[in-house]
This record gives sequence, C-alpha cells and structure tokens, in this order.
Amino acid sequence: AQKVTQAQTEISVVEKEDVTLDCVYETRDTTYYLFWYKQPPSGELVFLIRRNSFDEQNEISGRYSWNFQKSTSSFNFTITASQVVDSAVYFCALSPLRAAGNKLTFGGGTRVLVKP
Amino acid sequence: SAVISQKPSRDICQRGTSLTIQCQVDSQVTMMFWYRQQPGQSLTLIATANQGSEATYESGFVIDKFPISRPNLTFSTLTVSNMSPEDSSIYLCSVEIGEGYTEAFFGQGTRLTVV
Repeated sequence: AQKVTQAQTEISVVEKEDVTLDCVYETRDTTYYLFWYKQPPSGELVFLIRRNSFDEQNEISGRYSWNFQKSTSSFNFTITASQVVDSAVYFCALSPLRAAGNKLTFGGGTRVLVKP
Repeated sequence: SAVISQKPSRDICQRGTSLTIQCQVDSQVTMMFWYRQQPGQSLTLIATANQGSEATYESGFVIDKFPISRPNLTFSTLTVSNMSPEDSSIYLCSVEIGEGYTEAFFGQGTRLTVV
C-alpha cells in the first residue's frame, strides 16, 4: 500500500519569507513518481513537478525548489521569497511507475497563507 | 498536453437525487480517472475508467453509488446516485495520455453540494 504524509496542515508566513513544505511517503514499489500540485482557492489543481524515483537530483524552477531524498523517503518543496499569490493548498502525491503517473495517492495537503 | 472540460462546474442538488458529471478531453486518452475531494480534505481516487470495459473501483467505492461510463477515448461520465449531504465534494476528472508525458492532467472540478 502507498501512503503520503504531509505533517504540516497549515503554514502562515509573511511575504518574502521562505517556506518549506514537508512530504514523506511510503511505498513498496522500487520505481515510482512523486508529484507536487497547487490548489488555489478557485479549486483547480495546478501541476508543479513530477520526479522519477531514480532521479535524485534536486530541481529549481524560479522561486520553487524541490529536495528529493530517497534514503529518507522525502520530497520536500520550498518556495523562496513567498508572495501573496502563493497562498493555496499544496499537495504531494505518489504514483507507481507502471501506472504512468496517473493513479495518484495524495497527501493530506498543506495550506499556505502568505500575508502581505 | 490535454485540455479537460468538466460539466457542470458546480451544482446544488436535493438529497435522494442523482447527478451525472461529464468529462470531455480534447484528445484521445487511454485511461481516465475520477477523484473525490471532500471539504477540507485531500483527493481520493474513486475509479479508473477504461474504454470498452467496466470501470475499476477503489476500496470504499461501488458501482451502484458511482456508475461510470466511458463510451469513447475522449469522454467519460460519473454519476453520483441517491445523493446525501455526505456526497458534497469536488469531483475531478484526470487523464493519462500515454508514455512520455510529464504531468497528470486534471479538469477544473465539479463542486457538488447536496442539501
């Protein structure tokens, strides 16, 4: 069985602060995908990143960065210099590789509130 | 990429009635998925809809309550039957477009309120 845990239910920061969202996962699969999604108040799911389990390189995209550590089964997400528009719920998700990434197991989500 | 349209975007329904949600994709896709997001909760997979075969349901979800159709490679429907207030959720359609894609595509969701 697969499980994704996002221990932080809500994080509140002041604009321009950095914020790190934790994600810990459990799976018996040796190969899998990890995802991060953003869900703004409008409700749609916005794809942020997909990471293959055999690629442990950290990734940076603008103000976003991801730290994947297979040894600790963690895939953490950092927003640098946060902005009010970053306020949303962020979900970490896991999928077995054989399913090509769509049969997702989601974490409980972390609500990020960025105050001006 | 894929553009997914869900209808309706929101609805308020009476308990005991049924609602059918449509998911239309702008390209042919192999597999389509239906998720439920209860208020303040995470997303849970309801079922996988394959063209030409019965949908595959996850534990806790049954066909009588959530019948699914997949008549072709671009369209699927999810029906929420005999609704109760506990069915109030966002229902999301998701698609897989085969090997080599980089993201799982989601529709904008259907916000259902049962009164």
